Amino acid sequence: EIVLTQSPGTLSLSPGERATLSCRASQSVSSSYLAWYQQKPGQAPRLLISGASSRATGIPDRFSGSGSGTDFTLTISRLEPEDFAVYYCQQYGSSPRTFGQGTKLEIK
Amino acid sequence: EVQLVESGGGLVQPGGSLRLSCAASGFTFSSYSMNWVRQAPGKGLEWVSYISSSSSTIYYADSVKGRFTISRDNAKNSLYLQMNSLRAEDTAVYYCARPRYCSGGTCYDDYWGQGTLVTVSS
Repeated sequence: EIVLTQSPGTLSLSPGERATLSCRASQSVSSSYLAWYQQKPGQAPRLLISGASSRATGIPDRFSGSGSGTDFTLTISRLEPEDFAVYYCQQYGSSPRTFGQGTKLEIK
Repeated sequence: EVQLVESGGGLVQPGGSLRLSCAASGFTFSSYSMNWVRQAPGKGLEWVSYISSSSSTIYYADSVKGRFTISRDNAKNSLYLQMNSLRAEDTAVYYCARPRYCSGGTCYDDYWGQGTLVTVSS
């Protein structure tokens, strides 16, 4: 199975700053089938990005995804207070689907 | 509005059984495959099981294969997860999730329920 490794584990930034989250796969992700989710405490995950770079419905354009092959990035251009949460990447190009371990984005 | 509401979680002893349900509304349930995904306390997400819209195709994670059974009742707009031979490591919040897209049963999901907590402990 494909192992996804997210870095950093924790990212401490201030509102207004730019956040760059990384997701590295143990083997190439087919067709860039890579999604990103946001999860806040006590809530279900929320889909942000699919196909490595396509924003889901209703997701602000400050969220962007990029990458292909084994290296993917989620960028939040200017952090808003509501963006502080845990972010997961997930591949759906190979069975079984797998998730990264998460990056916690915390307020500095 | 799409809604997924899980129920059936609780405290169960190791080796015991539990049946989770997920009531779906706001979309044509019979047209969608569905997934169960779990999250152990303080941990990440783990896909558990997939069922196609007609129940003809079913997949399980290796960690639950032979112990869990996924099923659905399209007439009742409901998804189920029968969990047998439960272990401490099955302790988690269990989410039902509706896929936005699947490739050969491997999906990403755009709607999730609020989850139901299963605790396996003596």
